[in-house]
Amino acid sequence: QSALTQPASVSGSPGQSITISCTGTSSDVGSDNFVSWYQQHPGKAPKIMIYEGSKRPPGVSNRFSGSKSGNTASLTISGLQAEDEADYYCCSYARSRDSSVFGVGTKVTVL
Amino acid sequence: QVQLQESGPRLVNPSETLSLTCAVSGFSISSGDYWGWIRQPPGKGLEWIGSLYHTGTTYYSPSVKSRVTISVDTSKNQFSLKLSSVTAADTAVYFCARDRGSGWPDWGQGTLVTVSS
Repeated sequence: QSALTQPASVSGSPGQSITISCTGTSSDVGSDNFVSWYQQHPGKAPKIMIYEGSKRPPGVSNRFSGSKSGNTASLTISGLQAEDEADYYCCSYARSRDSSVFGVGTKVTVL
Repeated sequence: QVQLQESGPRLVNPSETLSLTCAVSGFSISSGDYWGWIRQPPGKGLEWIGSLYHTGTTYYSPSVKSRVTISVDTSKNQFSLKLSSVTAADTAVYFCARDRGSGWPDWGQGTLVTVSS
């Protein structure tokens, strides 16, 4: 199975909104609502930001939101802050294959 | 609060078997959920290796399926990864994590395993 497609980099100024896309197939992203998103700072373990496509775990800022349309999921960060600068990964669970697949990752830069 | 901690050799010879253990605290593995391994080569992205249900049922990535075994020891509340016939391409930070299908909410800190003679 191939990694999910994400843009290599996205940038924005403080206070702006940015959106990261995550494109898969009808067998993974498009099949169920099992897309999750992770933030990873250098040298750290990934941190879950969104699960089941659009749900935020306790403690995650409401500036982070998730959505999906067809085979593409999206993560939007509104009110961009310096601390949001990190790598972001999407992940999809494919129930039909009992497998998970991650996106290639997107580097977010706060200008 | 669920905590996970990886342990095992940090240096493995080529062609040998990489072995790691993940100790879980704050949650009993036998209570449910899936548990899995994810790796990240230096400077690269995350790759799912495989997951295990507390009953022992396993699911592996096609890319490593022929070389990987994930097992559980509920008496010690830990699960393990074995990856055979390793090459330099298997050099990576290996993370253990709780797999809820809908997402991976809890992660270990990760351990760098280098394959080199």
